[in-house]
Amino acid sequence: NAGVTQTPKFRILKIGQSMTLQCTQDMNHNYMYWYRQDPGMGLKLIYYSVGAGITDKGEVPNGYNVSRSTTEDFPLRLELAAPSQTSVYFCASSWLDGKGNQPQHFGDGTRLSIL
Amino acid sequence: AQTVTQSQPEMSVQEAETVTLSCTYDTSENNYYLFWYKQPPSRQMILVIRQEAYKQQNATENRFSVNFQKAAKSFSLKISDSQLGDTAMYFCAFMNQAGTALIFGKGTTLSVSS
Repeated sequence: NAGVTQTPKFRILKIGQSMTLQCTQDMNHNYMYWYRQDPGMGLKLIYYSVGAGITDKGEVPNGYNVSRSTTEDFPLRLELAAPSQTSVYFCASSWLDGKGNQPQHFGDGTRLSIL
Repeated sequence: AQTVTQSQPEMSVQEAETVTLSCTYDTSENNYYLFWYKQPPSRQMILVIRQEAYKQQNATENRFSVNFQKAAKSFSLKISDSQLGDTAMYFCAFMNQAGTALIFGKGTTLSVSS
């Protein structure tokens, strides 16, 4: 059981370049999330999705875009990379139904440096 | 807006001792979820324990237990019989009932020494 898989694990970008961070989960979870973690800080929510075709902004969405065309995949796109986007990015998924929300399962993170 | 505060940036404890990590939060919601996550140097986010706000009974998971005080909006984590493998950053987190907002505290770095 793979859980939540993120690729790549590490990446260095130049200012102004674009890239997509991939995230896929095999638990059939309906909710998926993207977070960033800056040094010495907790995680901050970038975007989330409550199901295929539905996405919404979190606390820090500027400079990012997401899509959710399937239940399994939730890619995060950086269009014009800036040094302020240097961070560790985590993808997570969970299941929510009428009985409540289950804990989030996290991927192993992607360390992104913008130079 | 919800906030989560962890007032102890760093804590140290010796093996086999008990340590308590503090967390307070602010919300106007009545039903929500609280979590403690562990992040070792590998950076993985590992769920330690979960508490539903509508449950009065404090959650326990083996050596980990919480003291949930809803009126005081306090959610502390007690680690009993500390082990070297407990060394990590610990994050307290709040989630609303809709599952659309997970707010993390800034974390407490716990060091367990022999």
